[in-house]
Amino acid sequence: NAGVTQTPKFRILKIGQSMTLQCTQDMNHNYMYWYRQDPGMGLKLIYYSVGAGITDKGEVPNGYNVSRSTTEDFPLRLELAAPSQTSVYFCASSAHGGSTDTQYFGPGTRLTVL
Amino acid sequence: EDQVTQSPEALRLQEGESSSLNCSYTVSGLRGLFWYRQDPGKGPEFLFTLYSAGEEKEKERLKATLTKKESFLHITAPKPEDSATYLCAVQTLMKAAGNKLTFGGGTRVLVKP
Repeated sequence: NAGVTQTPKFRILKIGQSMTLQCTQDMNHNYMYWYRQDPGMGLKLIYYSVGAGITDKGEVPNGYNVSRSTTEDFPLRLELAAPSQTSVYFCASSAHGGSTDTQYFGPGTRLTVL
Repeated sequence: EDQVTQSPEALRLQEGESSSLNCSYTVSGLRGLFWYRQDPGKGPEFLFTLYSAGEEKEKERLKATLTKKESFLHITAPKPEDSATYLCAVQTLMKAAGNKLTFGGGTRVLVKP
């Protein structure tokens, strides 16, 4: 199993550009999550999904959009990039959302907006 | 609002010098306390989950403990390969379904040979 994979690893965007961060998991997990990590700060939840076709906002959703058409994929869309979106983005997945659930993380995408 | 605070922010150890990392939290409805290890340029790697006060878990040179207000990660006789950032997170139930992880800022550990 590859686990959770993310592409690209690095990206530089200009202000106002758009891009999609890709996330795929091969563990047949129902739940998937997007976090951002800023230096010295804890990871913050952007969006999450409890299954194909079902998504909801986390703590910091502004400026982002998600979709989930399959169990495996959970792309994160940035429509109009802003410098405040410079961060490292992590995708995670978990099996069932119950009290003993564990989230497993991908390797991250480092995004710089200039 | 759920809050997680980790201390110290950074820790420099000599190889073999044992130490402890602290994670204090305020949360309503704790479902679990998680420890992750994060290497530079990598994603968080799961280490432990603790579910109730008094619980302890061990893995190699790491031992995690939990009380009602804090958790400790003890590193016994560390080696240079234990150098990493250690993240603590509390798991709570999200409004409709699933779990939310609230993370602390992490403790950067450097073990010198």
